[in-house]
Amino acid sequence: SQELEQSPQSLIVQEGKNLTINCTSSKTLYGLYWYKQKYGEGLIFLMMLQKGGEEKSHEKITAKLDEKKQQSSLHITASQPSHAGIYLCGAGFSSGSARQLTFGSGTQLTVLP
Amino acid sequence: KAGVTQTPRYLIKTRGQQVTLSCSPISGHRSVSWYQQTPGQGLQFLFEYFSETQRNKGNFPGRFSGRQFSNSRSEMNVSTLELGDSALYLCASSWGLAGFYNEQFFGPGTRLTVL
Repeated sequence: SQELEQSPQSLIVQEGKNLTINCTSSKTLYGLYWYKQKYGEGLIFLMMLQKGGEEKSHEKITAKLDEKKQQSSLHITASQPSHAGIYLCGAGFSSGSARQLTFGSGTQLTVLP
Repeated sequence: KAGVTQTPRYLIKTRGQQVTLSCSPISGHRSVSWYQQTPGQGLQFLFEYFSETQRNKGNFPGRFSGRQFSNSRSEMNVSTLELGDSALYLCASSWGLAGFYNEQFFGPGTRLTVL
């Protein structure tokens, strides 16, 4: 989606290293969602951020939302092979009177043992 | 609680045929959204149903349609299949409308191959 830009597109890290994935919106967003996907499978919900400055953590994964910059970052501390997969950010955007979730193109993460 | 389930998991069809995919949301969830995922276009929104009514529709041709039943289960139908319809079709459910700060949970997907 051009409305949501993710970077980098792919990332290869050594086990134990920290990493950050960014998601930037070109429009006003209503909530920012992070998901993880194994190739060809469904998306696993990681966390949802609602307001600027909000930060959430789940195990070794932390996400923050900078509402002014319309940007979110996902940080993984001490990466493990189990963190490998595709990370997708999604955001709620207005669609007429409705809203819909639009997703970024994903970041492919490889963690080398 | 059981998660979102989708059937069938895999499907092979030929051009011109039609197909129906099924989705059972998490118990208590009233919203069901459908997405198409392809390597070239990524994850794209098809439509959302809430309380048996279509609330929103993405930019897909009329060959793509759906419905929701009173128990919140949903089906999507694709008529006159084209090669480009080959994709992973994902269904997601949430308690409230998607995009309104409701956590949306995805099923495992149906892999459709059109020959």
